[in-house]
Amino acid sequence: GQNIDQPTEMTATEGAIVQINCTYQTSGFNGLFWYQQHAGEAPTFLSYNVLDGLEEKGRFSSFLSRSKGYSYLLLKELQMKDSASYLCAVRDGDYQLIWGAGTKLIIKP
Amino acid sequence: GAGVSQSPSNKVTEKGKDVELRCDPISGHTALYWYRQSLGQGLEFLIYFQGNSAPDKSGLPSDRFSAERTGGSVSTLTIQRTQQEDSAVYLCASSLEGRLKGSGELFFGEGSRLTVL
Repeated sequence: GQNIDQPTEMTATEGAIVQINCTYQTSGFNGLFWYQQHAGEAPTFLSYNVLDGLEEKGRFSSFLSRSKGYSYLLLKELQMKDSASYLCAVRDGDYQLIWGAGTKLIIKP
Repeated sequence: GAGVSQSPSNKVTEKGKDVELRCDPISGHTALYWYRQSLGQGLEFLIYFQGNSAPDKSGLPSDRFSAERTGGSVSTLTIQRTQQEDSAVYLCASSLEGRLKGSGELFFGEGSRLTVL
């Protein structure tokens, strides 16, 4: 079946680094996405990986290993505004996205 | 408009009533998706539109759910004879192309929170 796993909740300290993991088992693979969703708001696009390796975008980086069915989102120099849910999604065909349940990240001062 | 707009933002209804949720996508976006988000669960795919046609309705939970899109723009999701298990946030998203290519991203609205009493 289709399955995407990510931790339910994580806590980190302002200024620190946090890594949010995502493992997936899907019938197909055509890219992996990370979205950020603040409470009560719309999810917004963070990153996209289709090839193995690390994609860096400012304070955020995303890594993919297709052979291991594994990705992580790395957030550096954490700020209070990074408190949000982080959603991992795999595109298993042309348009269909399979979504994880999201990781709620709590940043403490 | 500048982003995806959804209405109403909140809807409280009684069990058995019909509800209509509206989505106004970003101008020029041909693809439109409806998702359902329940607490502690991933986004649940409901339906996908490419233009006015819906090539994939596989996610609609039952025949009480229907959706249409007119003029390649506004879409409405209708839930008939609502049940308590229909309570959730209904999210609409649009993208430039239906067949996502490269990092084709989805642009989401803020959702319609439905509560069925």
